[in-house]
Amino acid sequence: DGGITQSPKYLFRKEGQNVTLSCEQNLNHDAMYWYRQDPGQGLRLIYYSQIVNDFQKGDIAEGYSVSREKKESFPLTVTSAQKNPTAFYLCASISDRVNTEAFFGQGTRLTVV
Amino acid sequence: AQKVTQAQTEISVVEKEDVTLDCVYETRDTTYYLFWYKQPPSGELVFLIRRNSFDEQNEISGRYSWNFQKSTSSFNFTITASQVVDSAVYFCALSEGETGNQFYFGTGTSLTVIP
Repeated sequence: DGGITQSPKYLFRKEGQNVTLSCEQNLNHDAMYWYRQDPGQGLRLIYYSQIVNDFQKGDIAEGYSVSREKKESFPLTVTSAQKNPTAFYLCASISDRVNTEAFFGQGTRLTVV
Repeated sequence: AQKVTQAQTEISVVEKEDVTLDCVYETRDTTYYLFWYKQPPSGELVFLIRRNSFDEQNEISGRYSWNFQKSTSSFNFTITASQVVDSAVYFCALSEGETGNQFYFGTGTSLTVIP
């Protein structure tokens, strides 16, 4: 089945540690996105990538980094510079850049302990 | 400024009641798309509908219907005869322009359907 897979579903991190969230898609989509979801704030864009080896910052990129070495994969690293990393993270992809709907993974809930 | 506003943070209805979720958007583009997504407790966002700025026809899909009014910049979503399985967070979203490479999401409306 085609879709977007995020792993792990739950992740615990100690303060000061970097952690990488995985996002893989087999939909052959060009564009991929990372969003952060906090209660009452909806979805906020962290980073997005429209093609391999290229990505752009979203609204809240500070403390995060990404890579896009393969079309299928868009991992997100939450670095120790992110002051409040506890949140729900959603990865999405779209088939092209002309206003088609985005497909979402099931999300990763990150908790800093 | 918020591009997509969902003023209703939480709504509770009794099963079989109708409920309307409001969405107001802001854009200067003449070409844009509007979306509704459902987020059940599992967390994944499920696509419900897409509407482009040139198509103001209302749409009905089973118990779901959408009312798009450019004059009031609104794209409201109505669930008829609500069911417990409709309980979820619903997001309205906007993408602008010919390329539409960024989605703007509202803050979501949490709907609880009480049996």
